[in-house]
Amino acid sequence: DAGVTQSPTHLIKTRGQQVTLRCSPKSGHDTVSWYQQALGQGPQFIFQYYEEEERQRGNFPDRFSGHQFPNYSSELNVNALLLGDSALYLCASSLYQVNEAFFGQGTRLTVV
Amino acid sequence: LAKTTQPISMDSYEGQEVNITCSHNNIATNDYITWYQQFPSQGPRFIIQGYKTKVTNEVASLFIPADRKSSTLSLPRVSLSDTAVYYCLVGDIGGRRALTFGSGTRLQVQP
Repeated sequence: DAGVTQSPTHLIKTRGQQVTLRCSPKSGHDTVSWYQQALGQGPQFIFQYYEEEERQRGNFPDRFSGHQFPNYSSELNVNALLLGDSALYLCASSLYQVNEAFFGQGTRLTVV
Repeated sequence: LAKTTQPISMDSYEGQEVNITCSHNNIATNDYITWYQQFPSQGPRFIIQGYKTKVTNEVASLFIPADRKSSTLSLPRVSLSDTAVYYCLVGDIGGRRALTFGSGTRLQVQP
């Protein structure tokens, strides 16, 4: 059983560009959450998707958007990239009514 | 959300027991306490969760006093592979909740 898979693993973008990160949840999970983790800090919640809708959102600007597909996979889009967007982006999947979240390996985004 | 406070770092040696304490004075009645482990360049991994008293699994034990204002993660006989950052989270149960991570405790295990 594959766990949470994220692609790509590493990415380098130029300031002002747009980026799309992808996540496939653990088999049977219906909820996907995205987190941003800057170097040396804990993960910060970006938003959560369930039933193809954004259910919760953290303190992130509208440049951060997402989508969930009928097969529960998800995308995170970031527009107008800033140098400060450089971070490890983590996807976590879970069942809506169950507590435990499973994280992927993350996508390391570097903005130059 | 209840705020958590834990030591920034801890050092230990292989074979020792490590106890990491987390303070959460404002924990709510329906809040659970959850610990995650994170290795460099990997996503956090669920270790253990509890509501009160003691919980034990194959990896760790979690001790929660009656007032629930703190909790202690206990790792028995640590090895070098236990070197990681450990996060204490407090919040309502349910996969729909957003996890709030602090800065965690960086555990360094020496040979």
